[in-house]
Amino acid sequence: EPEVTQTPSHQVTQMGQEVILRCVPISNHLYFYWYRQILGQKVEFLVSFYNNEISEKSEIFDDQFSVERPDGSNFTLKIRSTKLEDSAMYFCASSPRGHGLTFHGYTFGSGTRLTVV
Amino acid sequence: KQEVTQIPAALSVPEGENLVLNCSFTDSAIYNLQWFRQDPGKGLTSLLLIQSSQREQTSGRLNASLDKSSGRSTLYIAASQPGDSATYLCAVRDSGYSTLTFGKGTMLLVSP
Repeated sequence: EPEVTQTPSHQVTQMGQEVILRCVPISNHLYFYWYRQILGQKVEFLVSFYNNEISEKSEIFDDQFSVERPDGSNFTLKIRSTKLEDSAMYFCASSPRGHGLTFHGYTFGSGTRLTVV
Repeated sequence: KQEVTQIPAALSVPEGENLVLNCSFTDSAIYNLQWFRQDPGKGLTSLLLIQSSQREQTSGRLNASLDKSSGRSTLYIAASQPGDSATYLCAVRDSGYSTLTFGKGTMLLVSP
């Protein structure tokens, strides 16, 4: 079964450093997402991406964050100048289409655990 | 703003029991509802997706129902097994948006 692949599985970074989290969505999917889950809290939406541009973003997704699809397969989340409160599990997800009766939901990756020290 | 609540927060049952997990949401104008399983420190595995026009979906020992008008969904697990131990998350997608709003989850422990 097709998977969403995320790398690295765990990353430790020093406060103030930049990190790039990488995702390879399912190949025929068109919609891409980043979510995060702070330990013990709900999974929260960060951003959605379609047709090479951001389609929706939450209030969490401020200027510190950016997303990019640098080639036909990768989807990245960049966090500039990381803060302690950025420590969380970051999930990438993809879906083949955004809506419709044939919408089969989202496929999530296994996550990248980011620890900011 | 959509809010999703899951009850109970934690549940411990002996193997073989049938159980029900509850999910409620405040805004009934949803597009669909999806149940996920999350193992400790792991990603999210989709279990069932119910479109807003549907009443229920079944997959093996799992059955999810949706009552959109009352803002409720239940996940029924039949004949629970220790391998079912995980956190179960409910997520709704609001009409007009492509994103999901998650509940905090129900942590299930099935003991042998």
